[in-house]
Amino acid sequence: ETGVTQSPTHLIKTRGQQVTLRCSSQSGHNTVSWYQQALGQGPQFIFQYYREEENGRGNFPPRFSGLQFPNYSSELNVNALELDDSALYLCASSLGGSGRAQNTQYFGPGTRLTVL
Amino acid sequence: DQQVKQNSPSLSVQEGRISILNCDYTNSMFDYFLWYKKYPAEGPTFLISISSIKDKNEDGRFTVFLNKSAKHLSLHIVPSQPGDSAVYFCAASLNSGNTPLVFGKGTRLSVIA
Repeated sequence: ETGVTQSPTHLIKTRGQQVTLRCSSQSGHNTVSWYQQALGQGPQFIFQYYREEENGRGNFPPRFSGLQFPNYSSELNVNALELDDSALYLCASSLGGSGRAQNTQYFGPGTRLTVL
Repeated sequence: DQQVKQNSPSLSVQEGRISILNCDYTNSMFDYFLWYKKYPAEGPTFLISISSIKDKNEDGRFTVFLNKSAKHLSLHIVPSQPGDSAVYFCAASLNSGNTPLVFGKGTRLSVIA
């Protein structure tokens, strides 16, 4: 069974640039959630994708956007990068469905984004 | 407003002793709780979970206790081992399908040999 993978591992960008982060979900999972973890904080929910549709969003501006593909992999896009976007971005996959109780989310290793 | 709180930023325990990590929550609608362990440069690893219909769940050396009336949960690790040294995050969610996890800020556990 393949776990959650993310790419790239590290990334350095400058203010105003755009970035795309990628995530492959665990085999058999159909839901991907993205979280931002700033230094010294717990992960903060950005948004979730279930069967290619956005299925909930946290308190993040519209310049944070995403996609989920038919194979349930996902992308997180951030436009007009700001210094405060520097953080660890975590992807988590789970198996969701109508009427299904909360499923445990399994995390990838994360992408460390530094904005200069 | 922080809905999940881990009030101890750090904890040091002797090897072989019990480690107790605490977590409080404010949203009474939460009914599914999880503990994750995180090593540096890695993503959080799922440890153990508990549904609100239970007050205890045990998995090997790890036991989670839930006190709904106090909105409090704790993770017990017995016996503690040096490899348990990591940051531990408490997380909560609504038990209604695909809902996001709300995390605390974490507690750094150091197990001293």
